Amino acid sequence: SYVLTQPPSVSVAPGQTARITCGGNNIGSKSVHWYQQRPGQAPVLVVHDDSDRPSGIPERFSGSNSGNTAALTISRVEAGDEADYYCQVWDSSSDHVLFGGGTKLTVL
Amino acid sequence: QVQLVESGGGVVQPGRSLRLSCAASGFTFRSYGMHWVRQAPGKGLEWVAVISYDGIKKYYADSVKGRFTISRDNSKNTLYLQMNSLRAEDTAVYYCAKEGVWYSYGNSFDYWGQGTLVTVSS
Repeated sequence: SYVLTQPPSVSVAPGQTARITCGGNNIGSKSVHWYQQRPGQAPVLVVHDDSDRPSGIPERFSGSNSGNTAALTISRVEAGDEADYYCQVWDSSSDHVLFGGGTKLTVL
Repeated sequence: QVQLVESGGGVVQPGRSLRLSCAASGFTFRSYGMHWVRQAPGKGLEWVAVISYDGIKKYYADSVKGRFTISRDNSKNTLYLQMNSLRAEDTAVYYCAKEGVWYSYGNSFDYWGQGTLVTVSS
């Protein structure tokens, strides 16, 4: 079955750039979506279809997807960006939604 | 504005049943596929099930297939999850989520409810 692999944690200083990866076999052929989940809250969509931002999401959030790795990049990181981030795809071979294990972003 | 409000969670003994509901408003419910996603305490997100906009197509995670049933009532703008033969490992916050593209499924989830907690314990 298809597996999405994320690093458990990423740390970054305020104002710097955070890059959160999501690995999967030929993930570049799939559409990848990213969610932010702050403690005690429901997830929020921050990037969809590899690199599109929903309305209301700052331009600091961007996405890319190629080969075996998709990535969420957060520029000029702020304290409020501290959260768990999940990647998600649709696996058409199994008709299942798959989530990565999640990455905890810590702002130092 | 789009609102998804889950209800029906609580404490239930192993082997028993529970039905969750998700009341939708602020969008044309009958035009969108809907999902259930759960999150065990301290763990990541786990997809549970999806139902197409018309209720015809339904798909389930392997962990719940044969025990859980997703359904919808488009006349009441409500999504359901019937959970039978509950196990301790089903303990989680259950979220309903809306597909981001109408008349489709397998896309991103553009809105989520706040979740309802299900605890399976004797």
